[in-house]
Amino acid sequence: DVKVTQSSRYLVKRTGEKVFLECVQDMDHENMFWYRQDPGLGLRLIYFSYDVKMKEKGDIPEGYSVSREKKERFSLILESASTNQTSMYLCASSLPGGTSRGYTFGSGTRLTVV
Amino acid sequence: AQSVAQPEDQVNVAEGNPLTVKCTYSVSGNPYLFWYVQYPNRGLQFLLKYITGDNLVKGSYGFEAEFNKSQTSFHLKKPSALVSDSALYFCADQTSGGSYIPTFGRGTSLIVHP
Repeated sequence: DVKVTQSSRYLVKRTGEKVFLECVQDMDHENMFWYRQDPGLGLRLIYFSYDVKMKEKGDIPEGYSVSREKKERFSLILESASTNQTSMYLCASSLPGGTSRGYTFGSGTRLTVV
Repeated sequence: AQSVAQPEDQVNVAEGNPLTVKCTYSVSGNPYLFWYVQYPNRGLQFLLKYITGDNLVKGSYGFEAEFNKSQTSFHLKKPSALVSDSALYFCADQTSGGSYIPTFGRGTSLIVHP
């Protein structure tokens, strides 16, 4: 069964900490994405990547960065965590075009910044 | 820019009754439309898609969706709801702008009462 795995289900961090959220997929997908999900706002795209070492800003990249050193791994970095980054973070992957089976999502990481 | 609207934050239905979760899109041309479901504390799961062809699309768990170009709608339906269908449902438009990045609706919470 194909999978997108996010390393942590729940995370509590302090304001100002540097936070790493890890995502690994085993489907050899070229595309990987990071979204945050907030009640009433749906899913908002933070960053995405079409290939190793490349990245593109999504709709809300401020306060975040990403790293993709290997095809299967896409990391989201909060340089200095703030309370307004408390959210559910979802990683997804897809083939180029993404139309065959849509996107495959991880189970999410619920991050609380205190 | 493409956009997707889910006009209802919540839909309540009794078990055994038919259900409809509404979605409208705004893109011109031929849209690529998807429905995803999210169970509590989980990532999104692909339900079904419309790319081209028959306007009635059948998907997982007995769900179907009807593409209506004149009304720019893609409503999700099921003839007989189950309590286990209770979840958050997202409509997404993945129409090409060159990137196939999906735009998600805000989500509709479906509650099926026993």
